[in-house]
Amino acid sequence: DAKTTQPTSMDCAEGRAANLPCNHSTISGNEYVYWYRQIHSQGPQYIIHGLKNNETNEMASLIITEDRKSSTLILPHATLRDTAVYYCIVNSGGSNYKLTFGKGTLLTVNP
Amino acid sequence: GAVVSQHPSRVICKSGTSVKIECRSLDFQATTMFWYRQFPKKSLMLMATSNEGSKATYEQGVEKDKFLINHASLTLSTLTVTSAHPEDSSFYICSARGYKGDNEQFFGPGTRLTVL
Repeated sequence: DAKTTQPTSMDCAEGRAANLPCNHSTISGNEYVYWYRQIHSQGPQYIIHGLKNNETNEMASLIITEDRKSSTLILPHATLRDTAVYYCIVNSGGSNYKLTFGKGTLLTVNP
Repeated sequence: GAVVSQHPSRVICKSGTSVKIECRSLDFQATTMFWYRQFPKKSLMLMATSNEGSKATYEQGVEKDKFLINHASLTLSTLTVTSAHPEDSSFYICSARGYKGDNEQFFGPGTRLTVL
């Protein structure tokens, strides 16, 4: 699976949009981009995933560049409960569906 | 959404004893379950992948005789840490992937193991 690069940490003001970048320049054509987050001492929570098109759900939006070498997770109105480590993972799915977690981005939402 | 539970949430045991952790998919059938371990301030490390009715596939460096995994049904997988040592103290997390065809994994809340 392709490697991803994320900033170590980011800060965001409560109520503002949080934009979390991820670089995956070696992504291959059949690999999806997944985002998970982990609040302290809890299991990871699935947020969103996409292949080529931008995606939106009740939690977030995922913007994937046209060349697919990077993506941005957008939390439109961050709250204090969104403080967590956010992981960007590239995976091809299928029968060999194993997630490789990097170090992620610690997003701190400030009041 | 899909719910995965783990039991117990916390366990403290003495060195040399064995500890069993259960992972259940509550509202879906899990074709594949995964076990991860996470040390403090570190990321999750995949230990093994288990498919219902077959032997687990362990990641390199993970001792299969020490970390016994059983996936006897489509809703239950167990991880048994045998002859536990203090260095096995960690946060153990399971995840499950279902029949739906979607690729997302659903994670349990984790089990905090402390070996004295």
